[in-house]
Amino acid sequence: EIVMTQSPATLSVSPGERATLSCRASQSVSSNLAWYQQKPGQTPRLLVYGASTRATGIPVRFSGSGSGTEFTLTISSLQSEDFAVYYCHQYDNWPRTFGQGTKVEIK
Amino acid sequence: EVQLLESGGGLVQPGGSLRLSCAASGFTFGGYAMSWVRQAPGRGLEWVSAISGSGSSTYYADSVKGRFTISRDNSKNTLYLQMNSLRAEDTAVYFCAKGGYQLPASDWGQGTLVTVSS
Repeated sequence: EIVMTQSPATLSVSPGERATLSCRASQSVSSNLAWYQQKPGQTPRLLVYGASTRATGIPVRFSGSGSGTEFTLTISSLQSEDFAVYYCHQYDNWPRTFGQGTKVEIK
Repeated sequence: EVQLLESGGGLVQPGGSLRLSCAASGFTFGGYAMSWVRQAPGRGLEWVSAISGSGSSTYYADSVKGRFTISRDNSKNTLYLQMNSLRAEDTAVYFCAKGGYQLPASDWGQGTLVTVSS
């Protein structure tokens, strides 16, 4: 199975700053990479698919990039509601797999 | 509006069985693949299984292969997950999600908690 590795595990950021989250796949997943946001007690929310396409209703401050094995999610200016756990997810190969998550916390 | 409502979770002893259901509404159910994803307490997301819109193709995580069976009844707009030979490590909230084939799951239910313990 494809192993998805996210870094860092925890990211401490001040409101208004930029956050950069990384995700690496153990083999190429082309552009079949999604990012989800999950807040405590809530279900995951799809942010980005196709590595760089924002899902419906997602603010422009969220942007995804990359292809193959290296991917990045950038939050250009963190808002209070953005503090959460973020997961990358490959849907290129079976079985589908998720990264272990990056927690974005208030600095 | 897409709605996904899971049910069937609960406490079960190791080695026991449980069947989860997910009632779907707000979209053409048979036109979409469906997935199950779980999350152990305090842990990350783990993909479990997926099924095509027709039900003819199914896929499983290695951790559940041979023990879990995904199925669907398009006439009832309902997704199922039959879980047999349950282990303590299967304890998790199980989410039903729309999609998961050519595109990632876009809509998720609130989840149902499965606890495997003696």
